[in-house]
Amino acid sequence: DGGITQSPKYLFRKEGQNVTLSCEQNLNHDAMYWYRQDPGQGLRLIYYSQIVNDFQKGDIAEGYSVSREKKESFPLTVTSAQKNPTAFYLCASSTQRVVWNEQFFGPGTRLTVL
Amino acid sequence: DQQVKQNSPSLSVQEGRISILNCDYTNSMFDYFLWYKKYPAEGPTFLISISSIKDKNEDGRFTVFLNKSAKHLSLHIVPSQPGDSAVYFCAASGYGGSQGNLIFGKGTKLSVKP
Repeated sequence: DGGITQSPKYLFRKEGQNVTLSCEQNLNHDAMYWYRQDPGQGLRLIYYSQIVNDFQKGDIAEGYSVSREKKESFPLTVTSAQKNPTAFYLCASSTQRVVWNEQFFGPGTRLTVL
Repeated sequence: DQQVKQNSPSLSVQEGRISILNCDYTNSMFDYFLWYKKYPAEGPTFLISISSIKDKNEDGRFTVFLNKSAKHLSLHIVPSQPGDSAVYFCAASGYGGSQGNLIFGKGTKLSVKP
């Protein structure tokens, strides 16, 4: 089955620790995205990558880092510099061949920093 | 400043009736508009889209209307079913700069009562 997987579904970390969220897709999509959702908020873009070995900051990149060494994988690291890391994190991917940029989302990871 | 606005945080509708979800945008460079549906603790799923060259797109029970002069779009669900209860996000793309990225509204929580 083609799709996007995110692991784990729930993640707990102590304050001050870095944590990496996994995102893998087997849709052969070129573009991948990380969003953050907070209660009562829309999805805010953290980072995106349109091609392997290249990525760009989104609207709220501070305190986060990413890598795109493989087409299938786009891990997100939440660093200790992120002031309010507790949130629901969503990864998405899309093909550049569709102009309306329908993005396919993973199931999300809920990160709680204690 | 929000470029995509969903001014109603919630909407309650009786089963079998019409649900109308509204969305306003401010950037006239948006080319495409998408609606996503999201259940709690899951990733959003694509529902329907519309290009700025059209004013209506229909897919089964779901119809999206676009009024470019008013910078307004709406999603109609007829007839509404209890399984439609979810948060609906409006999104827009094609505003240049980070072309292809989606800008999401804050969502409207739809409750369809049996």
